Amino acid sequence: NAGVMQNPRHLVRRRGQEARLRCSPMKGHSHVYWYRQLPEEGLKFMVYLQKENIIDESGMPKERFSAEFPKEGPSILRIQQVVRGDSAAYFCASSPPGTVKNIQYFGAGTRLSVL
Amino acid sequence: AQKVTQAQTEISVVEKEDVTLDCVYETRDTTYYLFWYKQPPSGELVFLIRRNSFDEQNEISGRYSWNFQKSTSSFNFTITASQVVDSAVYFCALSEAGRAGTASKLTFGTGTRLQVTL
Repeated sequence: NAGVMQNPRHLVRRRGQEARLRCSPMKGHSHVYWYRQLPEEGLKFMVYLQKENIIDESGMPKERFSAEFPKEGPSILRIQQVVRGDSAAYFCASSPPGTVKNIQYFGAGTRLSVL
Repeated sequence: AQKVTQAQTEISVVEKEDVTLDCVYETRDTTYYLFWYKQPPSGELVFLIRRNSFDEQNEISGRYSWNFQKSTSSFNFTITASQVVDSAVYFCALSEAGRAGTASKLTFGTGTRLQVTL
């Protein structure tokens, strides 16, 4: 049973470019979460999605960031016009429905570097 | 608002020593979950344990044990007879129970870096 898959593992962008981060949840999981980890810091929640729905986006910056989890395919975190401050590790997690839905399993992360 | 505090930024121990990682949390919810995750040098996060706020029993899993004390809002993690492979950053996290059908975001502490040397 494959875990949460994130790609790419490393992404380099120049200021002003777009970054697209992909996340495929574990099989059978219908909840996806995105977190950001700045260097030497803990993870900060960004957004929580179920298929085709954003449930909680209270941690998303108001501009340049968007997320989707379509009916088919992976969840995408999109950052437009990246700036140096966007350099961080972005982690995706998924959880199953039902009584254990609060256990979130994490992918290996995407390390975004903005030059 | 929820908050998790891991006051120990970094701990160094020699192999076979016991080590306790502290976690203190704040929440207004009566039902919540507490978690520990391990982040080894390779960078991924590994789930270790989830604890329900209504279950204050301590838990042991091999060399790992967890002490949940609601009275002091603490959820401490002890590694017995530490090994070099335990070297990692350990995160404590908290989530509310969430509405029916939905889960809830995790609020993480800033982590404790554990270095185990020979």
